[in-house]
Amino acid sequence: DVKVTQSSRYLVKRTGEKVFLECVQDMDHENMFWYRQDPGLGLRLIYFSYDVKMKEKGDIPEGYSVSREKKERFSLILESASTNQTSMYLCASSEGQGTRRTQYFGPGTRLTVL
Amino acid sequence: GDSVTQMEGPVTLSEEAFLTINCTYTATGYPSLFWYVQYPGEGLQLLLKATKADDKGSNKGFEATYRKETTSFHLEKGSVQVSDSAVYFCALSDEEGDYKLSFGAGTTVTVRA
Repeated sequence: DVKVTQSSRYLVKRTGEKVFLECVQDMDHENMFWYRQDPGLGLRLIYFSYDVKMKEKGDIPEGYSVSREKKERFSLILESASTNQTSMYLCASSEGQGTRRTQYFGPGTRLTVL
Repeated sequence: GDSVTQMEGPVTLSEEAFLTINCTYTATGYPSLFWYVQYPGEGLQLLLKATKADDKGSNKGFEATYRKETTSFHLEKGSVQVSDSAVYFCALSDEEGDYKLSFGAGTTVTVRA
């Protein structure tokens, strides 16, 4: 079974802090994704990566950056956390090219910024 | 741009009732369509998918048919169980394959014993 793990289930940070969210997948997938999930808005793509050291902006990249130094690991960085970044963050991975491939999701990190 | 509109919830049903969650989409070309499910405290998992018109996806008693003429992909289950309580998301990917999934807002379903 594909396994996508995220470093924390719950995280509480203060405004202005730098926040790292880590995601690891164990199936050698090329593609990795970061989404945020908010009630009534569904999932919105923040960034994705289709290869090591490659990244592409999604729909809402402002205030976020990402890093992919190894194939299995994809990090989301909040350079200076703000209260409007309080949300559920979901990581996903998929193999090969294109989104017709199934995306496999981690359990999510619920981030609260005070 | 691509978008997905799905039925607003929450939806509350009794066990063995019939469930329908409506989903319509707007897309250029010929997208692939998906239903994902999120059980309490978990991430999303793929429930079923269809990649071309008139395809029917099915899994765990759920079905959805890709209707290009009505741009719809409605999810149905004939007899729900308490264990089907979850949030259901309709999603699409466009044929250009730019890796992006567009999600609907999600529909919360609660099944009571």
